Amino acid sequence: DTGVSQNPRHKITKRGQNVTFRCDPISEHNRLYWYRQTLGQGPEFLTYFQNEAQLEKSRLLSDRFSAERPKGSFSTLEIQRTEQGDSAMYLCASSAAKGSYEQYFGPGTRLTVT
Amino acid sequence: SQKIEQNSEALNIQEGKTATLTCNYTNYSPAYLQWYRQDPGRGPVFLLLIRENEKEKRKERLKVTFDTTLKQSLFHITASQPADSATYLCALDKARGQNFVFGPGTRLSVLP
Repeated sequence: DTGVSQNPRHKITKRGQNVTFRCDPISEHNRLYWYRQTLGQGPEFLTYFQNEAQLEKSRLLSDRFSAERPKGSFSTLEIQRTEQGDSAMYLCASSAAKGSYEQYFGPGTRLTVT
Repeated sequence: SQKIEQNSEALNIQEGKTATLTCNYTNYSPAYLQWYRQDPGRGPVFLLLIRENEKEKRKERLKVTFDTTLKQSLFHITASQPADSATYLCALDKARGQNFVFGPGTRLSVLP
């Protein structure tokens, strides 16, 4: 079991550029979550998938953010026209649909927008 | 408005003592409440889950209580060790286990 992996681990980009992050969940988990975390705060929910279906998206999420999970396995999170306020740690987590609902988190992708 | 609060931003205790962390919530009706540990630069790690019909849950040196009337969960670490130093996050579900919202966390430091 390799756990949840995320790539890249760090990304530095200029304001206005697009970025894409990838998350590979634990293979038998069919739920996948994206969160954003800034210093001193808890993870903030962005969106989640059950298999390939995106079941919920945060109302706080602007339309510059989009996420996909095309085959119900890995997922990508894209941010278009990045802004300095997008600088944060982006965390991915996966869980089994039934059971204890515990989420297994990846190491995160740290985004810095200059 | 909906809110989750954790007692203090930081908590310092002496090694061997019991650490007690608090999670209070407003305008939520969670069926599940979870506690996670997060070390700097890493993702959170699941510790314990407690259901709305459970009063208490234990795992080794950890104990969680859940009072749906007070809208509060307490997280205890007994016989604390410096290795327990980390940020502890509570999370509760918004929709029957489908979507969890996290509190801001409490940074615990156990001093030798």
